[in-house]
Amino acid sequence: EDQVTQSPEALRLQEGESSSLNCSYTVSGLRGLFWYRQDPGKGPEFLFTLYSAGEEKEKERLKATLTKKESFLHITAPKPEDSATYLCAVQEAGANNLFFGTGTRLTVIP
Amino acid sequence: DAGITQSPRHKVTETGTPVTLRCHQTENHRYMYWYRQDPGHGLRLIHYSYGVKDTDKGEVSDGYSVSRSKTEDFLLTLESATSSQTSVYFCAISGTAQDEKLFFGSGTQLSVL
Repeated sequence: EDQVTQSPEALRLQEGESSSLNCSYTVSGLRGLFWYRQDPGKGPEFLFTLYSAGEEKEKERLKATLTKKESFLHITAPKPEDSATYLCAVQEAGANNLFFGTGTRLTVIP
Repeated sequence: DAGITQSPRHKVTETGTPVTLRCHQTENHRYMYWYRQDPGHGLRLIHYSYGVKDTDKGEVSDGYSVSRSKTEDFLLTLESATSSQTSVYFCAISGTAQDEKLFFGSGTQLSVL
């Protein structure tokens, strides 16, 4: 059973068209939920960590929120340089590693 | 990439041959990880290390071994490569286990023919 599910798999937006990416998880006890950005041919780059329901983090045009069963990555007025694959990962309480979702591939069209 | 170098960046090899991938860090971080990334799968942990000579298995460790003789180097070995090990391999580091904020290398594209 997948512990982390991301949707949609791919998303095309016009520049300036705001939207949200979803990450749902099924771990029983969450230690942390992480968002990463991955550009083609590169390793993932850390964006945010969220630890408890109701928590929010922001960075430029990105805002991440967390509930008890899912997280959203809101993208406000995106630019072409925001095009990338966004990965969500969860760390279960007591575990030493992260479980990653398969990502959402975002394309922002000028 | 936060002082992480993976080598080689690309490798093509034949089934049954041994392969070693190297990860070198200049951050003096205690924790080092090897992940593989395949289409349709999230990044999956192969092995990790929590100190020199201290390693443990991840969720997809079969067919892989690791070694860490120095803080800065973490080696991943495929003793006898198979086509199912064709993948992109990423090394990652972190300062602590409690804060799993990982810094990733640029990856190694491995093709096993």
